[in-house]
Amino acid sequence: AQKVTQAQTEISVVEKEDVTLDCVYETRDTTYYLFWYKQPPSGELVFLIRRNSFDEQNEISGRYSWNFQKSTSSFNFTITASQVVDSAVYFCALRGGAGGTSYGKLTFGQGTILTVHP
Amino acid sequence: DTAVSQTPKYLVTQMGNDKSIKCEQNLGHDTMYWYKQDSKKFLKIMFSYNNKELIINETVPNRFSPKSPDKAHLNLHINSLELGDSAVYFCASSQSRVYNEQFFGPGTRLTVL
Repeated sequence: AQKVTQAQTEISVVEKEDVTLDCVYETRDTTYYLFWYKQPPSGELVFLIRRNSFDEQNEISGRYSWNFQKSTSSFNFTITASQVVDSAVYFCALRGGAGGTSYGKLTFGQGTILTVHP
Repeated sequence: DTAVSQTPKYLVTQMGNDKSIKCEQNLGHDTMYWYKQDSKKFLKIMFSYNNKELIINETVPNRFSPKSPDKAHLNLHINSLELGDSAVYFCASSQSRVYNEQFFGPGTRLTVL
């Protein structure tokens, strides 16, 4: 069975601070896919990034960066110079690969509520 | 153009009623999903269809019945609504069932009184 743990339930920062959202996952699949989604106060779920299990390269997109470490089963998300508009619930998710026990199933973590104060 | 749309956005109904939520995607994706988000924001998959074929059916009460008339549409019908069914229901789609990201609809907030 798959499991995704986001240990931080809520994080509160002041604008311009850097913040890291932790994500730890468990899976028996050898091939799998990791995702981050953002859910702003308006309620929609916005896709941020996908990472394949065979690609451990870190990724940067503007103020966002992701650190994937297979050795520790972690896929952490850092926002640099946070802004009020970053306030949202952030979800980490895991999807099993073809042939795996959790083929095609997307399992979400509990979510981290990020509040950025002006 | 809206990629994944759901109707209605809000649904308020009495216990025991039957209701449906409709979902349509114009992305040409093969796979569609229904998720339930509870009051604690926890998201859980309910069903998944690939090219109109049911491929994932999590432990959902059989009062919930998905229907996919074609690969662009996935509707959710709920019979005999219960208080515990109150939640936000999200429809999603992806190009394939495995490696592609899922794109979500705006959600339908269901309130059962």
